[in-house]
Amino acid sequence: DVKVTQSSRYLVKRTGEKVFLECVQDMDHENMFWYRQDPGLGLRLIYFSYDVKMKEKGDIPEGYSVSREKKERFSLILESTSTNQTSMYLCASSLSGVSTEAFFGQGTRLTVV
Amino acid sequence: AQKVTQAQTEISVVEKEDVTLDCVYETRDTTYYLFWYKQPPSGELVFLIRRNSFDEQNEISGRYSWNFQKSTSSFNFTITASQVVDSAVYFCALSLWGGSEKLVFGKGTKLTVNP
Repeated sequence: DVKVTQSSRYLVKRTGEKVFLECVQDMDHENMFWYRQDPGLGLRLIYFSYDVKMKEKGDIPEGYSVSREKKERFSLILESTSTNQTSMYLCASSLSGVSTEAFFGQGTRLTVV
Repeated sequence: AQKVTQAQTEISVVEKEDVTLDCVYETRDTTYYLFWYKQPPSGELVFLIRRNSFDEQNEISGRYSWNFQKSTSSFNFTITASQVVDSAVYFCALSLWGGSEKLVFGKGTKLTVNP
């Protein structure tokens, strides 16, 4: 079975803390994505990576960075959290080259207090 | 730029009713892909279908059917004889062929099927 695993389902952090959200896929996919989901706004792309150590900004990269040191792992980093980063974060992966469907993790609900 | 519009924010139906979820897209490219995803209360998005821009044939899969019309830039999704388990948020999405394969999502339609 195809699998995208996010390290946490729920996180509560204080304003100003540094947060790492981890995502691992076992499908040998080239592409990996981080989306943010908010009510009334749908899914918005934060960053994506099309290969190890390669990354591109999505629509809302401000306040975030990413790391992809290994093909199967894609980390989203919030250097100094703020309350407006309270959201659901979804990781996804897909094969490269033919616009195949993306496979999603179960999401991480981050609350910043 | 690409855009996907799902005008229906929430829909509520009674079990066994048919329901259609609308999706309208915008792109200047001639080659693109359209997707539908389901997000049940558990949170994980589940892929339902992918269509490319050259294939306007409608598709049926069990109680699910999709109507793709390039003339109106629409890719609507119909659930026949809805069931409580169909309750979820449904997202329509678009990606370009030969591009970075990023998915552009609509804002989603929350479907509630009441017993």
